[in-house]
Amino acid sequence: GAVVSQHPSRVICKSGTSVKIECRSLDFQATTMFWYRQFPKQSLMLMATSNEGSKATYEQGVEKDKFLINHASLTLSTLTVTSAHPEDSSFYICSALKTGRGGQPQHFGDGTRLSIL
Amino acid sequence: GQNIDQPTEMTATEGAIVQINCTYQTSGFNGLFWYQQHAGEAPTFLSYNVLDGLEEKGRFSSFLSRSKGYSYLLLKELQMKDSASYLCAVMDSNYQLIWGAGTKLIIKP
Repeated sequence: GAVVSQHPSRVICKSGTSVKIECRSLDFQATTMFWYRQFPKQSLMLMATSNEGSKATYEQGVEKDKFLINHASLTLSTLTVTSAHPEDSSFYICSALKTGRGGQPQHFGDGTRLSIL
Repeated sequence: GQNIDQPTEMTATEGAIVQINCTYQTSGFNGLFWYQQHAGEAPTFLSYNVLDGLEEKGRFSSFLSRSKGYSYLLLKELQMKDSASYLCAVMDSNYQLIWGAGTKLIIKP
């Protein structure tokens, strides 16, 4: 089955640090990947849609200069949280869209728990 | 606007059956997903329905009626490990997932 790898699984760092999260589709090419954020006891919220070779599309209220997305290849998208602050502490999850016949088309990584001290 | 509705919380007994309902209104439809999520973990895929009808997979089944904008997830022979949040999500015309708030399922012995 389709596998999406997300790394790192957990990050603890000081306020002001920039953190990069990687999302890789291991056995399929993903022209589209999605980045979600989930605060405790809340549902997943779409932050942005990442398209290979073009600029990401951000949802309303998500700062594109703070959450930098790079989708440089068909198997890798990265989310960089720049100058992270405690309010950015959350669970970040990526998913990759697998097109073509058969099976379910959205595959999730295992998530990254970001804690900013 | 786009809207996914599911109950906030349900309680059931170990060994019993529980049905979690989901109704939706979205711009376009490219399938409905059910995910299981334990606290602090990423969602785990349970089912994907794109055509009307019932999909059965072991103890879990999912039903879809596109004309009614309605789905349910049926869990049989409940086990304590089934205690989790169950998320209903619809893929819209842009292939983005629109999420429900999740149903917290509590299993009692």
